Amino acid sequence: KNEVEQSPQNLTAQEGEFITINCSYSVGISALHWLQQHPGGGIVSLFMLSSGKKKHGRLIATINIQEKHSSLHITASHPRDSAVYICAAGGSGNTPLVFGKGTRLSVIA
Amino acid sequence: NAGVTQTPKFQVLKTGQSMTLQCAQDMNHEYMSWYRQDPGMGLRLIHYSVGAGITDQGEVPNGYNVSRSTTEDFPLRLLSAAPSQTSVYFCASSYGRYTEAFFGQGTRLTVV
Repeated sequence: KNEVEQSPQNLTAQEGEFITINCSYSVGISALHWLQQHPGGGIVSLFMLSSGKKKHGRLIATINIQEKHSSLHITASHPRDSAVYICAAGGSGNTPLVFGKGTRLSVIA
Repeated sequence: NAGVTQTPKFQVLKTGQSMTLQCAQDMNHEYMSWYRQDPGMGLRLIHYSVGAGITDQGEVPNGYNVSRSTTEDFPLRLLSAAPSQTSVYFCASSYGRYTEAFFGQGTRLTVV
């Protein structure tokens, strides 16, 4: 079974800081997802990637297939970025997505 | 285009009661799934469906039933609620199994 580990578990940053959240997985995958869960509970998909790098606004996601590692970066962080960020690894065939436990980010003005 | 609509948002059940959590999507997605989210744990897959008439078990299926009679709807049934089923439940849909997933707003279920 794929094991997905996220770090850090909790992160507090000052507004404007550059933030990195890490995700490691144990078994080769077909795709990795980054999700955002706001305090109200709703979950939104941020990225799905299988190689390289994707960028959307101030968010950047990268993946290194050989090292089984992905990172989510937030540039110029803002209090509205405060949320739980979750990575999920998807294998091949019938294997289900395996989710990390999430990283709780608080950005202070 | 409503996306994924999940109802109810909150529910309190007594042990032994049954109920159905509703999930509907209007994006013509084939893949739908149900997850539960518990404190300190990642989302865990309960059941999933790859199309109308096809369902399969996920990681934690015991105590739950599903059916998929249409592409749009994927209800989750709790047959006899237990306190261990107290959790937040999310329904999700996607075009394919490993494409972008869209989540419902969640149902916070408490079993007393």
